[in-house]
Amino acid sequence: GESVGLHLPTLSVQEGDNSIINCAYSNSASDYFIWYKQESGKGPQFIIDIRSNMDKRQGQRVTVLLNKTVKHLSLQIAATQPGDSAVYFCAENNNFNKFYFGSGTKLNVKP
Amino acid sequence: EAEVAQSPRYKITEKSQAVAFWCDPISGHATLYWYRQILGQGPELLVQFQDESVVDDSQLPKDRFSAERLKGVDSTLKIQPAELGDSAMYLCASSLEDARPNEQYFGPGTRLTVT
Repeated sequence: GESVGLHLPTLSVQEGDNSIINCAYSNSASDYFIWYKQESGKGPQFIIDIRSNMDKRQGQRVTVLLNKTVKHLSLQIAATQPGDSAVYFCAENNNFNKFYFGSGTKLNVKP
Repeated sequence: EAEVAQSPRYKITEKSQAVAFWCDPISGHATLYWYRQILGQGPELLVQFQDESVVDDSQLPKDRFSAERLKGVDSTLKIQPAELGDSAMYLCASSLEDARPNEQYFGPGTRLTVT
C-alpha cells in the first residue's frame, strides 16, 4: 500500500506564531497533493492543493511547499490562530482521483 | 455553499446487527467515495464510484460490506453483520469528474459504535 506519513504527531504553537506541518510520501509517481484540516467530530475540510509541476503554492495565510526530490510536503500557517487548532492531514494522488491519507498531525494553538 | 450530506450522524449498534449509512454528494459530482477513519488515523478508502459504477473497492471487506449508487447520485454503505472492529467514522466525499484529480469535498461523517 501507499505510505504517507507525518513527522510530528502533535505540534504546539503560540498564538501568532507561524506553524509548519510536515508530511513525507513514498510514491514518486504521485502528482497531486492536498492538505486537509479536520476539527473534532467533523469531516476533513480542504485547505490547499498543489500539483507536482509546482513546488510552492500560496493561499490565505497558508503555503504548501512540495519537494519532489525528497518526497516531502509541508504546510505553513502564518500567524496561527486558536481556530487553527485541529488535526491536519496530507493526501496524495497517483491514480486518478484515488487518494492516500497520512495519519495526521494535531495542531494545538496556545493563547 | 453546496455540501455533502450524510446520515445518520451517529449510530450505535450491537455486533451482528446490520447498519446502513447514506450519502448525498454535491450536485453534479460524478465521483463519490466512502472512507473509514479509525480514531487517530487518516481516512482509508473503502470504495470509489464513478457515476453508478464501482471503480475501486479493493479495500472493501466484501464479506460484510456492500455499497451501491444505483442512480449515480446518492449512495448507501451497508455493513452486515457489524463487528466490534467496525467502530469508526465513516466519511463520504465527492468530486467533479475531470481529466485531472480534483479536490474532494467531505461530508460530516457517521460515527459508528458497535457494542
